[in-house]
Amino acid sequence: AQRVTQPEKLLSVFKGAPVELKCNYSYSGSPELFWYVQYSRQRLQLLLRHISRESIKGFTADLNKGETSFHLKKPFAQEEDSAMYYCALSVRDTGRRALTFGSGTRLQVQP
Amino acid sequence: ETGVTQSPTHLIKTRGQQVTLRCSSQSGHNTVSWYQQALGQGPQFIFQYYREEENGRGNFPPRFSGLQFPNYSSELNVNALELDDSALYLCASSGDLVSSAQYFGPGTRLTVL
Repeated sequence: AQRVTQPEKLLSVFKGAPVELKCNYSYSGSPELFWYVQYSRQRLQLLLRHISRESIKGFTADLNKGETSFHLKKPFAQEEDSAMYYCALSVRDTGRRALTFGSGTRLQVQP
Repeated sequence: ETGVTQSPTHLIKTRGQQVTLRCSSQSGHNTVSWYQQALGQGPQFIFQYYREEENGRGNFPPRFSGLQFPNYSSELNVNALELDDSALYLCASSGDLVSSAQYFGPGTRLTVL
């Protein structure tokens, strides 16, 4: 069975500092990886998907199959980045496309 | 484009009761998935519906059941509620089975006393 691990429950940085939210996964096949974000009092939103290879709100994430990681990075954190971040994995399993989530990392950007 | 909506927002039930939660999928989406999010945890997959048929189930007992209607809205039913069922229940819709990007509703907070 697949698994997603986010080792940090809380990451606190100062405004302007670089950010790296870690995500490791276990799955023997070819998964699809996502980052979801939840701002205070808002719903879970899709931030990034690895197949898009895009930068959203200055965030990027690269799938490293050798290290089975999909870390989320941003060079200069902003206060508005403070939120809960979830890494998620999807596999094509008998036709369904369920997401397996990590337990989340709370990013706190201090002024 | 209308996003995913869920009702009710909050619900309080007692142990042993039954509950029905509702979800309207995003316009144009025919696949609905339900997730349970306990406090301090990531969402856990309950089951998925595609064109009114159950299309996969997570590690949840049969007292968790669901329906999808012709307009692709969905219900999650939980029988014989237990205290551990207290959680945020999230509904997510996606365009089809090929696309795994899912779009979430605001959730229903269920408290079981």
